[in-house]
Amino acid sequence: KAGVTQTPRYLIKTRGQQVTLSCSPISGHRSVSWYQQTPGQGLQFLFEYFSETQRNKGNFPGRFSGRQFSNSRSEMNVSTLELGDSALYLCASSWGDRGRADTQYFGPGTRLTVL
Amino acid sequence: GESVGLHLPTLSVQEGDNSIINCAYSNSASDYFIWYKQESGKGPQFIIDIRSNMDKRQGQRVTVLLNKTVKHLSLQIAATQPGDSAVYFCAENKDSSYKLIFGSGTRLLVRP
Repeated sequence: KAGVTQTPRYLIKTRGQQVTLSCSPISGHRSVSWYQQTPGQGLQFLFEYFSETQRNKGNFPGRFSGRQFSNSRSEMNVSTLELGDSALYLCASSWGDRGRADTQYFGPGTRLTVL
Repeated sequence: GESVGLHLPTLSVQEGDNSIINCAYSNSASDYFIWYKQESGKGPQFIIDIRSNMDKRQGQRVTVLLNKTVKHLSLQIAATQPGDSAVYFCAENKDSSYKLIFGSGTRLLVRP
């Protein structure tokens, strides 16, 4: 079974631009979570989607948004990029409907550099 | 490229020895715990998990111990191999929220 895939793997943007990252979950998984990883803050939860609805949200500004499609694929968008948004953005998928938290499997990440 | 903190605590072990990586978690209400391994340039890889109704769980060469009294989690790796060199993260989850809270990580270096 194919793992979680993320595109693109690398992105370079300038301040003020916006960016869209894509994530395809493991087949059958309906929950997709997004995390930001930086050397200073570590791994931080952004949000989680299940059945096209945002089910959980972390403490990030409104410039960070996401959505999920009917095939469970998810995108996240960052508008008005700041230098501090440079990070590895990770997507994780899980079944999401087991009545309790189940294992989240991560993709390889998208490395975003803001200049 | 490097994707984790540059000043992580580091555990250096001899190949073949056992490794123990420790983690203090933050929330006494957390009920699900996971260990991940992250190699440079890759996403975190699932190793083993444990729920709060257990205090020990074993996998292949790995054991996770949970001490809820002191909010402590440990990962034991038996017969550590060079391929085990990576950064290891513990993560906790509360109320089935799917929001994982990660520890800061420990770098494991295996000396040949």
